[in-house]
Amino acid sequence: QKEVEQDPGPLSVPEGAIVSLNCTYSNSAFQYFMWYRQYSRKGPDLLMYTYSSGNKEDGRFTAQVDKSSKYISLFIRDSQPSDSATYLCAMAPGNTGFQKLVFGTGTRLLVSP
Amino acid sequence: DTAVSQTPKYLVTQMGNDKSIKCEQNLGHDTMYWYKQDSKKFLKIMFSYNNKELIINETVPNRFSPKSPDKAHLNLHINSLELGDSAVYFCASSLPGTSGSPYGEQFFGPGTRLTVL
Repeated sequence: QKEVEQDPGPLSVPEGAIVSLNCTYSNSAFQYFMWYRQYSRKGPDLLMYTYSSGNKEDGRFTAQVDKSSKYISLFIRDSQPSDSATYLCAMAPGNTGFQKLVFGTGTRLLVSP
Repeated sequence: DTAVSQTPKYLVTQMGNDKSIKCEQNLGHDTMYWYKQDSKKFLKIMFSYNNKELIINETVPNRFSPKSPDKAHLNLHINSLELGDSAVYFCASSLPGTSGSPYGEQFFGPGTRLTVL
């Protein structure tokens, strides 16, 4: 079993829909939680990061962390065709350094016009 | 104004060959990484260097040898290539975190798509 589990999708939604992307994890040492967006044939780009539990909002994107359930989410409001990409969650422990990221397998999102 | 660059972008080679991938960053970062992304998009760290010193070395076959000639460069040499080495290899770099901003964001290069025939 992988440390971080993520539904690979694809997840197909119409433009304007609210999208919910999720990851579960097993390592309770994880303190830093990231969402990366990867367009086809490109490297991942950091979208958002949160430390410990709670919510964080940035424009149309909201990241949530529930450490008690070992569950993180990324919500995308008013989804656009340009949001079509693979979304990777990533996590790092707080004690040994946040540089060693553990990634989920990514969820492919398709937003149709 | 490329931040993290990799060469080559595509690499097609025969089993048993030796090949190298080069990475350069112009962000002034101290730490550089190599990741492997398989066909199912799973991205896994292989190595990390901080100021030319190896700090992360995951369970990777000895056929893979990273080399950091200076802070801005991290190369990956692969000996005796196998079919299972086919993947996209990403280089990344980051600054260390600070007390005010603990997470040192990792910036990824465009990837090198390696195909072993």
